Amino acid sequence: DAGITQSPRYKITETGRQVTLMCHQTWSHSYMFWYRQDLGHGLRLIYYSAAADITDKGEVPDGYVVSRSKTENFPLTLESATRSQTSVYFCASRDGTGEAYEQYFGPGTRLTVT
Amino acid sequence: GQNIDQPTEMTATEGAIVQINCTYQTSGFNGLFWYQQHAGEAPTFLSYNVLDGLEEKGRFSSFLSRSKGYSYLLLKELQMKDSASYLCAVSDSNYQLIWGAGTKLIIKP
Repeated sequence: DAGITQSPRYKITETGRQVTLMCHQTWSHSYMFWYRQDLGHGLRLIYYSAAADITDKGEVPDGYVVSRSKTENFPLTLESATRSQTSVYFCASRDGTGEAYEQYFGPGTRLTVT
Repeated sequence: GQNIDQPTEMTATEGAIVQINCTYQTSGFNGLFWYQQHAGEAPTFLSYNVLDGLEEKGRFSSFLSRSKGYSYLLLKELQMKDSASYLCAVSDSNYQLIWGAGTKLIIKP
């Protein structure tokens, strides 16, 4: 399917467990992003990637790890989940370098840490 | 610091017009985006302004004043399906998006 997909869509895990959220896009967009969205806050950037093997921290990177070995995939790993990481996670991608292109969002992963 | 402000919630009547405001203070400016987000869904792109003035797209229009750090989204002929959150985001000097918390728009019959 064309577009940007995320898996799983829903996940419940326990405190201290490692969790990986997957993101896949078929447009060959250079940029990919991970956001979390919580009530009362706007979308907050966790990590982003400008190209394969290039990643950088966003506003709230602590407790998260990313990798980007292939252009189309951008997994997000919570190394040791905490209750404060309960949130909705959105992956996004965009084309272009140095231009303000629109971002396209995946459907989101709703993560609950118990 | 960087800051985007928009009202938390607004209510309007079906068929009416509503204006959602957004003010911003950011390090650099490379344009302002408006996104729509229905409950439980992903944000979807509505509009982009980088120059001052009004951009019209069907029932939706977006206005920008860079000197005032101000934008608004104007929705005309409101329909029930317009009930959603509207997110304002500014592209900063690094072309990263800084997001407002969103305005929840409730449409009443």
